[in-house]
Amino acid sequence: DSGVTQTPKHLITATGQRVTLRCSPRSGDLSVYWYQQSLDQGLQFLIQYYNGEERAKGNILERFSAQQFPDLHSELNLSSLELGDSALYFCASSPMTGTISGANVLTFGAGSRLTVL
Amino acid sequence: DQQVKQNSPSLSVQEGRISILNCDYTNSMFDYFLWYKKYPAEGPTFLISISSIKDKNEDGRFTVFLNKSAKHLSLHIVPSQPGDSAVYFCAASATYSGGGADGLTFGKGTHLIIQP
Repeated sequence: DSGVTQTPKHLITATGQRVTLRCSPRSGDLSVYWYQQSLDQGLQFLIQYYNGEERAKGNILERFSAQQFPDLHSELNLSSLELGDSALYFCASSPMTGTISGANVLTFGAGSRLTVL
Repeated sequence: DQQVKQNSPSLSVQEGRISILNCDYTNSMFDYFLWYKKYPAEGPTFLISISSIKDKNEDGRFTVFLNKSAKHLSLHIVPSQPGDSAVYFCAASATYSGGGADGLTFGKGTHLIIQP
């Protein structure tokens, strides 16, 4: 158990629908990251939050949005779903206290597998 | 444009031999490099990292080498064991000048298969 909890583990839905993926970071970690892994693709960075504020944006579609709540859990909202959105969505967390020494090691959850039919 | 590239989608190695996984990067601002290992149905787990001011870091059977001039790093696993069969991701990050760091930029991964 990595300490990062993602729900649901599996989700099957139809095109045009909206889903919400939830992530609880490891205790003490302030930063949350969302990544998408499609077939034959690496981990594509979507978005990062630090202590409730958006910190960095990657290749996140306008149909997708995220937020981090005061208790530091995060949600990724995916709307107007298309077949191509089928993927594994990973959440990761890190301490990222604002000053850093050493590598920024991210701890990943087990992922949420989204299937859009 | 892929900033971190792993050009070998898969690699097969005999048990007991050395496994060498390669990674190239293009962004000169990267100052930390990490390797993650991923088993099916699990999230990636951190394996080993190296700072750009070093050229080698060792942890047990795992050694990462960095050639900054060539923008190339490699992960050596010696000796390779059946439990090492997994997908290995190379990742890189850049530290902000004011402190803090970006998330990680990942390569597409190399599927390592250890043959008995």
